[in-house]
Amino acid sequence: GENVEQHPSTLSVQEGDSAVIKCTYSDSASNYFPWYKQELGKRPQLIIDIRSNVGEKKDQRIAVTLNKTAKHFSLHITETQPEDSAVYFCAASIYSGGGADGLTFGKGTHLIIQP
Amino acid sequence: DGGITQSPKYLFRKEGQNVTLSCEQNLNHDAMYWYRQDPGQGLRLIYYSQIVNDFQKGDIAEGYSVSREKKESFPLTVTSAQKNPTAFYLCASSIGASGRYEQYFGPGTRLTVT
Repeated sequence: GENVEQHPSTLSVQEGDSAVIKCTYSDSASNYFPWYKQELGKRPQLIIDIRSNVGEKKDQRIAVTLNKTAKHFSLHITETQPEDSAVYFCAASIYSGGGADGLTFGKGTHLIIQP
Repeated sequence: DGGITQSPKYLFRKEGQNVTLSCEQNLNHDAMYWYRQDPGQGLRLIYYSQIVNDFQKGDIAEGYSVSREKKESFPLTVTSAQKNPTAFYLCASSIGASGRYEQYFGPGTRLTVT
């Protein structure tokens, strides 16, 4: 089955600086890559996603890039703010036109924004 | 934060007992999922259901069982066969296939078995 590796496990950056979290996946058939943010004690929430027919996607301060050849994708957060402090999870899944399937998640990155 | 609910928030059980975790959604979503979250392990898929009366095993289904008798409900039973049941359990739902639609998560149930 699919395996998703995520690095680093902890990332500390100064407020205002950029943060980058990287993930690799093993199954070349994977074609959907969401990123979830989980604040302490709360449920994970989708912040951005990308499909395999796109190389990059942006939403204000957040961007995701995908390299299908190398089977890796990254989350970029610019101008970090205190409210960006959370655990971020990458995930991968395969959509083939059939029914629902679950997501395979990375182990998470604890992002700490230093004031 | 309505839409998908889980109860209770905290659950305590003695070893050897089966326990059922509730998951309800009023989003009219066809697909529902159960994940387990352990510290430093991310989320791991236990079971998922595409439609009423149908469900499939995920990556770590051993020791768990589910049912999907109603569209809005997807309860998870943690049986005594599960070796390490203490964990944070998250239920999720989506309109359809996860590769096309966002998964919405419930608030989770923290299960402690002693």
